[in-house]
Amino acid sequence: EPEVTQTPSHQVTQMGQEVILRCVPISNHLYFYWYRQILGQKVEFLVSFYNNEISEKSEIFDDQFSVERPDGSNFTLKIRSTKLEDSAMYFCASSESRTGGPTQYFGPGTRLLVL
Amino acid sequence: KQEVTQIPAALSVPEGENLVLNCSFTDSAIYNLQWFRQDPGKGLTSLLLIQSSQREQTSGRLNASLDKSSGRSTLYIAASQPGDSATYLCAVTFTGGGNKLTFGTGTQLKVEL
Repeated sequence: EPEVTQTPSHQVTQMGQEVILRCVPISNHLYFYWYRQILGQKVEFLVSFYNNEISEKSEIFDDQFSVERPDGSNFTLKIRSTKLEDSAMYFCASSESRTGGPTQYFGPGTRLLVL
Repeated sequence: KQEVTQIPAALSVPEGENLVLNCSFTDSAIYNLQWFRQDPGKGLTSLLLIQSSQREQTSGRLNASLDKSSGRSTLYIAASQPGDSATYLCAVTFTGGGNKLTFGTGTQLKVEL
């Protein structure tokens, strides 16, 4: 069964460093998402992406964050200058369609620790 | 503000017991509601998705119901097993909110031998 994959599974970085989290969505899916979950808190929406553009973003997704689909398979989340409070589990998701609340399929997550 | 709430926050039951997890949401204008399972430190596994026009969905020992007008959903787990121990998350796609999922805080379930 097709699945969303994410790399790395864990990343440790120093405050102020740039990190890139990578995701490979399900191959025929066209709509992509990033969510994050700070330890002990809710899963929160960050951004959605379609047709090489951001469709929607939350208040969390400030200028330090960016997303890109650099090729036909990868979808990345970049944090330019990491802060301690960026430590969280980051989930990528994808969906086949973009209307009417499509089913989103989640990857296993990348656990980011900022020291 | 569109919010999702889950109670209880934690639940411990003996093996074999039937149990119900609750989810409530503040706005009845939804596309669908989805139940996920999350094991410690792991990703999200989709269990059931109920469209706004549906009343319930079943998968094996799991049954999810939806009462859109009252803003409530329940996840019923029959004959619980230790392997069911996990955190169960409810997530809603509100209309007018794009396609983003709004998650509850989850119910941490422990099924004891």
